[in-house]
Amino acid sequence: GAVVSQHPSWVICKSGTSVKIECRSLDFQATTMFWYRQFPKQSLMLMATSNEGSKATYEQGVEKDKFLINHASLTLSTLTVTSAHPEDSSFYICSASVGTLSTGELFFGEGSRLTVL
Amino acid sequence: AQSVTQLDSHVSVSEGTPVLLRCNYSSSYSPSLFWYVQHPNKGLQLLLKYTSAATLVKGINGFEAEFKKSETSFHLTKPSAHMSDAAEYFCVVSVWNQGGKLIFGQGTELSVKP
Repeated sequence: GAVVSQHPSWVICKSGTSVKIECRSLDFQATTMFWYRQFPKQSLMLMATSNEGSKATYEQGVEKDKFLINHASLTLSTLTVTSAHPEDSSFYICSASVGTLSTGELFFGEGSRLTVL
Repeated sequence: AQSVTQLDSHVSVSEGTPVLLRCNYSSSYSPSLFWYVQHPNKGLQLLLKYTSAATLVKGINGFEAEFKKSETSFHLTKPSAHMSDAAEYFCVVSVWNQGGKLIFGQGTELSVKP
């Protein structure tokens, strides 16, 4: 199946700094990617839909200026957590779709665990 | 609006016994439904999906699920649990007409005892 790669897998940063997480589709082109956030022992919460060449669509309650999403190419979307604080510590997962949802499926990255000290 | 409810937050079975993870959905439209598995600190892997074809869907690793419209259910089953099945399982519904947007259930943690 298609492969989605996230980098870094683990990141620890100081409060107030910014962290960038990359999501790459390795063997296919993804016009749409999705970013999720997962707290320990909880489900995934969709943060935003990333569209290549256009602005991301954020879910209600997600701060656009806090979580900057850039989808500059068909194989790369980035999530930047700006001025990170301890409450931003979480597991961030991206996904990308191959084809339409009814005929294809979403492939998920391995996730990136952010710890803000 | 679409939603899914996983009825059990935790299920524990013995190795070699059947597995049943329950999921009910709510959708105004004919839904696309999925089961994903997540091992600790890992991403998600698709087990199976229902997209209005056969109501009994077979997936990987011996899992299957049956779409029952009358009961609005999409329960996940496996005849015989293996230790490697221990993980978190998510029932997921796609948002109609917003291709790729998924709504996740709360998750069910499956424990397998030797």
